[in-house]
Amino acid sequence: AQTVTQSQPEMSVQEAETVTLSCTYDTSESDYYLFWYKQPPSRQMILVIRQEAYKQQNATENRFSVNFQKAAKSFSLKISDSQLGDAAMYFCAYSWAGGTSYGKLTFGQGTILTVHP
Amino acid sequence: ETGVTQSPTHLIKTRGQQVTLRCSSQSGHNTVSWYQQALGQGPQFIFQYYREEENGRGNFPPRFSGLQFPNYSSELNVNALELDDSALYLCASSLGTIQGALYGYTFGSGTRLTVV
Repeated sequence: AQTVTQSQPEMSVQEAETVTLSCTYDTSESDYYLFWYKQPPSRQMILVIRQEAYKQQNATENRFSVNFQKAAKSFSLKISDSQLGDAAMYFCAYSWAGGTSYGKLTFGQGTILTVHP
Repeated sequence: ETGVTQSPTHLIKTRGQQVTLRCSSQSGHNTVSWYQQALGQGPQFIFQYYREEENGRGNFPPRFSGLQFPNYSSELNVNALELDDSALYLCASSLGTIQGALYGYTFGSGTRLTVV
């Protein structure tokens, strides 16, 4: 079974600084997809960035980028120039399109990010 | 605008009762998944429906059931409520199972269920 682990329950960063959130996962599959979702107090899960495992190039979306290390099964999220609106719970998630996975998402436990002005 | 609407936003039920949670997906989204998120935890996959049929289930007992309708709405039903069922229930939709796996899902804001 696939598992996703986020070892940092809480992180904090000063506004305009950079922060990195960690995520590791376990899978026996070679072709899968990884996501970072943001959940603000409004509770809606918002997709931040996605990475395809067969692509070596790390994904970037504006101030958000990932460091994908397939061999180490590591998928960290870097937030540059942090803004107050980045404060939220961040979840790392895994999906696989094959077999009996049904395309379900497997989530980590989450990291609460606080941004200080 | 989320594109996925859930109702009600909050609900309080008594242990042993039954509850129905509702979700309205984006038009054209044939796949809907339901997740249970306990306080301070990551969401757990309950089940998924594709074109009105259940096509995947997580580690949840049969008292958790669902329905999906042709108008892109769906329901999550929970019978014989237990205290541990208290959680945020999230609905997520996508164009299809594969698309959801590849590109992620669109989530609603959830229903907060409290069982007392």
